[in-house]
Amino acid sequence: AQSVTQLDSHVSVSEGTPVLLRCNYSSSYSPSLFWYVQHPNKGLQLLLKYTSAATLVKGINGFEAEFKKSETSFHLTKPSAHMSDAAEYFCVVSDQLTGGGNKLTFGTGTQLKVEL
Amino acid sequence: KAGVTQTPRYLIKTRGQQVTLSCSPISGHRSVSWYQQTPGQGLQFLFEYFSETQRNKGNFPGRFSGRQFSNSRSEMNVSTLELGDSALYLCASSTDREATDTQYFGPGTRLTVL
Repeated sequence: AQSVTQLDSHVSVSEGTPVLLRCNYSSSYSPSLFWYVQHPNKGLQLLLKYTSAATLVKGINGFEAEFKKSETSFHLTKPSAHMSDAAEYFCVVSDQLTGGGNKLTFGTGTQLKVEL
Repeated sequence: KAGVTQTPRYLIKTRGQQVTLSCSPISGHRSVSWYQQTPGQGLQFLFEYFSETQRNKGNFPGRFSGRQFSNSRSEMNVSTLELGDSALYLCASSTDREATDTQYFGPGTRLTVL
């Protein structure tokens, strides 16, 4: 089974500074990888998705992620943090199941705090 | 297009009771998956329904069950509730047209078991 590891449980940045949320994956073949964001008391919102079309993936709200096979990484970045970015971020891998369909396996999450 | 909706948003039950949660997928989406989110275990896959059939199942006891209707709406049922069932239950839908389909999540149902 595939898995993802989020290397930081908490990240704190100042508003206007870059954001880096780290994720490593484990997969025996080319994975489908996602980043989702969860604001307090809300569901999960898709930020971006990698499906082997391009290694640099651009998402919503200025976020992007780069798939690096040699490093088995899929880190999420944003050039300039905004207060509204404060939330929990999940790195996710999608497993294709033998009966059809996919199962998402979530990382443990990174809580992003943005300070003035 | 309307997103995934879940009802109710909040529930309070006592141990031993049973509960039913509802999920309406995005129009045109045929696959519905359920996930449990707790502080201790994180987000875990419960099961997935497609064309009114449970196609995949996670590692949860038989007290957790579900079904899907012909309009793709899905319900999840938990019987004989335990304190540890307190969680945010999330439903997600997808078109299931390709292997890399995106799952779109609803706002969740917050279940508290007293």
